[in-house]
Amino acid sequence: DGGITQSPKYLFRKEGQNVTLSCEQNLNHDAMYWYRQDPGQGLRLIYYSQIVNDFQKGDIAEGYSVSREKKESFPLTVTSAQKNPTAFYLCASSSIKQGNHQPQHFGDGTRLSIL
Amino acid sequence: KNQVEQSPQSLIILEGKNCTLQCNYTVSPFSNLRWYKQDTGRGPVSLTIMTFSENTKSNGRYTATLDADTKQSSLHITASQLSDSASYICVVTAHTGGGNKLTFGTGTQLKVEL
Repeated sequence: DGGITQSPKYLFRKEGQNVTLSCEQNLNHDAMYWYRQDPGQGLRLIYYSQIVNDFQKGDIAEGYSVSREKKESFPLTVTSAQKNPTAFYLCASSSIKQGNHQPQHFGDGTRLSIL
Repeated sequence: KNQVEQSPQSLIILEGKNCTLQCNYTVSPFSNLRWYKQDTGRGPVSLTIMTFSENTKSNGRYTATLDADTKQSSLHITASQLSDSASYICVVTAHTGGGNKLTFGTGTQLKVEL
């Protein structure tokens, strides 16, 4: 079945450590997105990519980095510069034709906590 | 500032009962409004999407309405089931020259009990 796979489900970060969250999709979607979800807040856009080897900052990109070397993959790195990384991270994708740059499919998220 | 407000924040109903969730927005220029269902620990799943010209959209027991004049939307759930227990998120898209800008509501947490 087509979908978005995020891994790991749970991740723990030590002080000063960079961690990378994986996101893979087999929907043949052009666009991919990373969101952060905190209790009591709406989803906030971190980064998005509409095409391979290109990506743009979202509303809260500081302390994060991404790459888009393959159409299927859009990993997110949470760097040590992100001082409050504890959150639920959601990856999404959309077909530019159908979704008009809006996320249509979401993965099941990665919950990141600080040790 | 674009905002999406949802009410109530949380809701508990008995199985088999109906309920209505509200979404008020101040997003401009409006492009579309989408309702998502998010189960605990899972990603959101799209239920309905409505553009400016659509007043009602149904998906099984879920019916969404949109009043673009008053900038209000509602999600009505009929004959609720235990599996309807989830967070329901309203998302409004503004279409600007720079592309689409999404504003997410904080969600309504629904619990269906026996």
